[in-house]
Formats: sequence, structure tokens, C-alpha cells
Amino acid sequence: DVKVTQSSRYLVKRTGEKVFLECVQDMDHENMFWYRQDPGLGLRLIYFSYDVKMKEKGDIPEGYSVSREKKERFSLILESASTNQTSMYLCASIMTGMRTDTQYFGPGTRLTVL
Amino acid sequence: AQSVTQPDIHITVSEGASLELRCNYSYGATPYLFWYVQSPGQGLQLLLKYFSGDTLVQGIKGFEAEFKRSQSSFNLRKPSVHWSDAAEYFCAVGFDSWGKLQFGAGTQVVVTP
Repeated sequence: DVKVTQSSRYLVKRTGEKVFLECVQDMDHENMFWYRQDPGLGLRLIYFSYDVKMKEKGDIPEGYSVSREKKERFSLILESASTNQTSMYLCASIMTGMRTDTQYFGPGTRLTVL
Repeated sequence: AQSVTQPDIHITVSEGASLELRCNYSYGATPYLFWYVQSPGQGLQLLLKYFSGDTLVQGIKGFEAEFKRSQSSFNLRKPSVHWSDAAEYFCAVGFDSWGKLQFGAGTQVVVTP
């Protein structure tokens, strides 16, 4: 079974803090994704990575950066957290980029920025 | 550009009754379509997917979906819902070679006794 884990289920941070969200997958998947989930908006792609050290912006990259130093690990970084970044963050991975592949999701991190 | 519309934000259904969730997509090429479910406090789990072939797709937990190209729809159905089906359901379309998905806004399903 594919397993995607996220470092925290719940996180509370203060405005201006640097925040790291970690995601690890254990199935040697090539591509990894970070989504943000908000009520009424579904999931929106922040960034994705198709290889170690390779990344591409998604639909809403502003205020975020990412790091992928190892194939199994993909980190989302909020350089200076703001209240409008309070949200649920979901990580996903996929074997390759083939459209027939399935994305596997982690349990999510609910981030609150005060 | 691709888009996914789930017209129903919230649906309430009685346990044992049938359920249908609507999904309409806009995409220029052959769509790759997915339904995911998110139970409270959980990540997303794949229910089923459609790429080609038979337009009626069977998934897990007794769900099925029908692809109708003429209506640009991929509606999800279950003949008899269980209390454990209470969750949020997301329709998504895959549209590029990186495996990216475009999601709908989701439909929250509440199951009453």
C-alpha cells in the first residue's frame, strides 16, 4: 500500500513566522504535489515536483516555496506566514506523470495562522 | 482551460436511499476523470477513475460513475447509502503529462437515519 505521511495534523503559528510542512511518500513516486483546500474552492495546486530539486508553480504559488532534496520528501515552506494562509494543506504523490496514474494523498495538515 | 463543476454543494440523503452526485467538466481533449472521497479528518481516497472504454465505471465501496461525453458529465451513484458514506466528494479531471488534477469544489454528503 502506498503511504503518504505529513509531519503534522494540526499546526498553529503566528503571523510572520516561517513554517515548514513536510511530506514523505514510501513508494518511490516520481511526482509530488502540494494542494491547499478551502471550503467552496476544492483543492488548488500550489506547487508540484517532477524530480529531485525540480519544481513547477501551480495555480496559487504566491507566498509559498518548496524543496525537494530527496525523492521521497517534499516540503512546503511559508516564508512569512499570514492569516490568509490559514487552511488545510494536502500533499499527494503519483508514480509517474501518466494521466492514467492515481494520485495518493496524505491525511492533511490543518494550519492556523494567528 | 479545463474546469470542473460540482453543482451541489451539500446533499442530505436518508440511509438506505440512493445517491447521485453531479459532475460536469470542460476540457478540449479526451478527459481522464476521477472521483475522490474525503472522510472527516482524512485525506482523499480514490473511489474510481475513467480513461476509456466502458462508460460505466465501478469503484470501491459500492460506487459507480457514468461518463457521458455528449453532456460532459461524470456523475457518481450509489444505490443504497450507508451512514459511513457521509463525507465530502470531489470530482477531478487529469489534463497534462505531469499528472496534475483540476478539482471541483466538492459536494458534502450528510446521511440521516
